[in-house]
Formats: sequence, C-alpha cells, structure tokens
Amino acid sequence: NAGVTQTPKFQVLKTGQSMTLQCAQDMNHNSMYWYRQDPGMGLRLIYYSASEGTTDKGEVPNGYNVSRLNKREFSLRLESAAPSQTSVYFCASSDLAGGPYEQYFGPGTRLTVT
Amino acid sequence: QKEVEQNSGPLSVPEGAIASLNCTYSDRGSQSFFWYRQYSGKSPELIMFIYSNGDKEDGRFTAQLNKASQYVSLLIRDSQPSDSATYLCAVGNYGGSQGNLIFGKGTKLSVKP
Repeated sequence: NAGVTQTPKFQVLKTGQSMTLQCAQDMNHNSMYWYRQDPGMGLRLIYYSASEGTTDKGEVPNGYNVSRLNKREFSLRLESAAPSQTSVYFCASSDLAGGPYEQYFGPGTRLTVT
Repeated sequence: QKEVEQNSGPLSVPEGAIASLNCTYSDRGSQSFFWYRQYSGKSPELIMFIYSNGDKEDGRFTAQLNKASQYVSLLIRDSQPSDSATYLCAVGNYGGSQGNLIFGKGTKLSVKP
C-alpha cells in the first residue's frame, strides 16, 4: 500500500497562475484533508471532506477550492496564485469509523509563488 | 477558539537521556490525543495516540494524559540522535467537526551525541 500520495512534489508558479494539487489514498478512508504548513504557524486546515460528495471549509479556505473526485481522490485548486500561498501543502486521510480518528499524511507539495 | 499549546523549543537533551515534551489544550470536550513526529522537510508521522487518562507505553515512547488538567505529554526514553525532530501534539473530538484535529505548532527536539 502506498498510503497517501501527492503530486507534484515541488512547484513554482508566477502570481496569477492556477494549478491543482492532487491527492490520493489507498487505505479506503472516508475522510480527507488539506493543510498548509508555514514556519511558526503550524499546520492549518484549508478544506476537508468528511465523506465522498461532501466538502467543508477549514481555518484558511480563502483563495482555494477543492474537489472530492471519488473516495480515493481529493484535489486542491489555486485559481489565481498569490505570494501569500507560498507554503508546504499536506494532504491527509482518516477513517471515521468509531474513532480515534488518527490522520495519515502524504509527503507534501512544496509550492513557491513568485 | 480551540487551541493546542506547545513550547516551541528547541529542547536539547544528551543522548541516552529522557526527553519530555508537553502539550496543553483548551477544549474540555477533547477525546483523542495524538503525537506526530516530523523530520525536517518531511511530512508528519503518527507516533502514538491516547484517549484514556494515564500512561500508554510503546517501546521507548510513553504518552501521558491528564484530562482534568488538560495536559498531554510524551516521554522518550534513551533518546537517540535519530529522535531529533519536531514533535506535534494534536487533539480531536469524536463529536466535533467530522473528526478534525487541532494541531499545536510543535516542539523541536535536539538529541546531542
């Protein structure tokens, strides 16, 4: 099992460009999450999907959109990238069947917006 | 606002010593507690979880939970240089936002040979 996979690993964008970060999990988990991690700020939740067909905003959703394509895949889209979106992005998944709801993380995407 | 607080460190301990990492949380309804290890440039990796008051041991790691004091700790016995990493505390609530976890900002641990 690969666990949680993310593509791409690295990306450089110019301000105003768009891109989609891809995430897939093979653990049959029903919940998936997108976080960003910045120095001194810790992990902040952008969006999450409790189950296939549902998505909800997290702590810092502005400037992002998500799609839960199926149970395995959850993508994050930046429509018009800004330098403030320079960060490391992590996708995670969790099985909500009875707790304790531990989350498993992908390897991350390091994004730079110039 | 639900918060999880950790001392940012760095916490420096000599090889072979016990490293003690602490975490406090604000939501009294929290029910599940996690410790993640994150090496520089890598993703968080789950080390342990605990949801009952008391101690839980796994190899060199012991998680301690005191819900009355809203306090969680992680002890690492016989610390090794390979334990040098940032340790993230995370807290969850079964009845809360679809299993969402609140993460602390992490404590950086340095184990000196």
